Amino acid sequence: QSALTQPASVSGSPGQSITISCTGSSSDVGYDNLVSWYQQHPGKAPKLIISEVTKRPSGVSDRFSGSKSGNTASLTISGLQTEDEADYYCCSHAGGNTNAFGSGTKVTVL
Amino acid sequence: EVQLVESGGALVQPGGSLRLSCAASGFTFSQYWMTWIRQTPGMGLEWVATLKGDGSGEAYVDSVRGRFAISRDNAKNSLYLQMDSLRAEDTAVYYCAKHTIWAFDYWGRGTLVTVSS
Repeated sequence: QSALTQPASVSGSPGQSITISCTGSSSDVGYDNLVSWYQQHPGKAPKLIISEVTKRPSGVSDRFSGSKSGNTASLTISGLQTEDEADYYCCSHAGGNTNAFGSGTKVTVL
Repeated sequence: EVQLVESGGALVQPGGSLRLSCAASGFTFSQYWMTWIRQTPGMGLEWVATLKGDGSGEAYVDSVRGRFAISRDNAKNSLYLQMDSLRAEDTAVYYCAKHTIWAFDYWGRGTLVTVSS
């Protein structure tokens, strides 16, 4: 039950695209397609933005997209906007009924 | 509208106990897995415990197994976390969250647990 590895910070200018990686192992990220992503603004609860690697819940901007290759999942934010400045966390099924979160990435809009 | 409201957070001494509650509304509570997730102040998220809709299938992160117990009362639409033998490292905001297909689609606002002498 180790935390998944994310870069501590990623930055980009408005309109640019950025990608956040989430690296685990064959026991979690690489095991199945049950990776989700969450956005958290300061002082707020996390918000689900991607489930099952690529699925966007209703109401989530299509500027957010997810993918996975092997033991690494990725979140791409295209057309970066100031309101995208937040912390982002991945989460993966880790076998049985357990889960593991990523270490978190702070996104800064320059 | 789905709502999750946590309560029960407090300042407690090391070795003490606390019971957190999460009151759910706006969905058929008994049909959904539920989870507790915590966040250390200024730090990241940590999955703590999960329970199926029928109250079976408990699962815990290694650091709390044997000290914490997740339970639910479907008649009261409530989720609980009994926390015993609390340690300083259990200090965190505790969120309850509703499951969708192995993701957490609704979260409460959290309740703060502080373990300190």
